[in-house]
Amino acid sequence: SAVISQKPSRDICQRGTSLTIQCQVDSQVTMMFWYRQQPGQSLTLIATANQGSEATYESGFVIDKFPISRPNLTFSTLTVSNMSPEDSSIYLCSVKTGGYNEQFFGPGTRLTVL
Amino acid sequence: GIQVEQSPPDLILQEGANSTLRCNFSDSVNNLQWFHQNPWGQLINLFYIPSGTKQNGRLSATTVATERYSLLYISSSQTTDSGVYFCAVDGSARQLTFGSGTQLTVLP
Repeated sequence: SAVISQKPSRDICQRGTSLTIQCQVDSQVTMMFWYRQQPGQSLTLIATANQGSEATYESGFVIDKFPISRPNLTFSTLTVSNMSPEDSSIYLCSVKTGGYNEQFFGPGTRLTVL
Repeated sequence: GIQVEQSPPDLILQEGANSTLRCNFSDSVNNLQWFHQNPWGQLINLFYIPSGTKQNGRLSATTVATERYSLLYISSSQTTDSGVYFCAVDGSARQLTFGSGTQLTVLP
């Protein structure tokens, strides 16, 4: 398994601003993902964070709105840009460790946009 | 893409009762996982079970890959079992697709 931490754990932001969420893993991992969970809904994949190259975004998510960085094999950031109340969600970082198919999730960042 | 359906959407039990949650999926999978999301939003890994049967204490799971379904059994339920249970599958896209979840409430 992997130990995953996220910062911040929660935040309240004003519309039009941006928030950067950090994800730190205690070991090197090959695959990192970012998910969104809107209130009362299931989890939806935003993008796969690729080390050394641009992230791969799912349909409905764009780099200008959700820029992602992955400078090394243990760290990634997700920025939620130009926020609106519709962006209020839990954002979760997830990893697969090398050689295994099982995915693990961080504790999430609970974002409220006013 | 792959479709994942969970049933029932909501379940209310008295403490001590048993329950079965179901997950149907539309295509062959490389991975199937069950998660419990607690009231604080944390996703807890319950089972990694692309096929076969596993047990962990009061919980067990069975996946019949050829028939494209998985079952999660909870026995002697406790109030701490309350929360949302998610099934998620990894098909050809190599990332997890989540079902809509089962909201479980266990009453004292």
